[in-house]
Amino acid sequence: GAVVSQHPSRVICKSGTSVKIECRSLDFQATTMFWYRQFPKQSLMLMATSNEGSKATYEQGVEKDKFLINHASLTLSTLTVTSAHPEDSSFYICAGGEHNEKLFFGSGTQLSVL
Amino acid sequence: QKEVEQNSGPLSVPEGAIASLNCTYSDRGSQSFFWYRQYSGKSPELIMFIYSNGDKEDGRFTAQLNKASQYVSLLIRDSQPSDSATYLCAVNKAAGNKLTFGGGTRVLVKP
Repeated sequence: GAVVSQHPSRVICKSGTSVKIECRSLDFQATTMFWYRQFPKQSLMLMATSNEGSKATYEQGVEKDKFLINHASLTLSTLTVTSAHPEDSSFYICAGGEHNEKLFFGSGTQLSVL
Repeated sequence: QKEVEQNSGPLSVPEGAIASLNCTYSDRGSQSFFWYRQYSGKSPELIMFIYSNGDKEDGRFTAQLNKASQYVSLLIRDSQPSDSATYLCAVNKAAGNKLTFGGGTRVLVKP
């Protein structure tokens, strides 16, 4: 299957700081990447769809000014959590796939905001 | 009604037995169906996908799809302790790989 590399795997930051998470497709070109968030013991919730060369599409209830997405190339998508607060602490996972079919996930980023 | 529903479990299964997981979905136009396995603290891993009605087998896993009844199931034969995880059902409603996930079923395989 397709390989998606995500880092960092874990980040701890102070409230009010910004955190950038990178997601790279290693063996395919990702015109689209998906960003999910998962709280403990809950399922994956889609936050936004990242589109190469254009604006991301955000799901209802997700603040686009707080969760900045950049997809400048076919192999890299980034999610920046701006002015992070403790309630933003969560497991963030990117996912992508070629041929618009199966979706493969990055290893995830555990964000803890103090 | 949730778009994709799963029993949260835990589903407790003796080692060597068959684990049976079910998933129902609300959108009759859904086209592709996926099962992911997620270990605690890890990201989901794709284990099965199915597009057509009927059964699809891959090793110890069998996915079953019934579009008329709007359910998809996963059977795990000869369950092993390493199969203990949360299994996520995901549905793709249209072309493109935007998936909607169920809440997951936690499976515990006891030696």
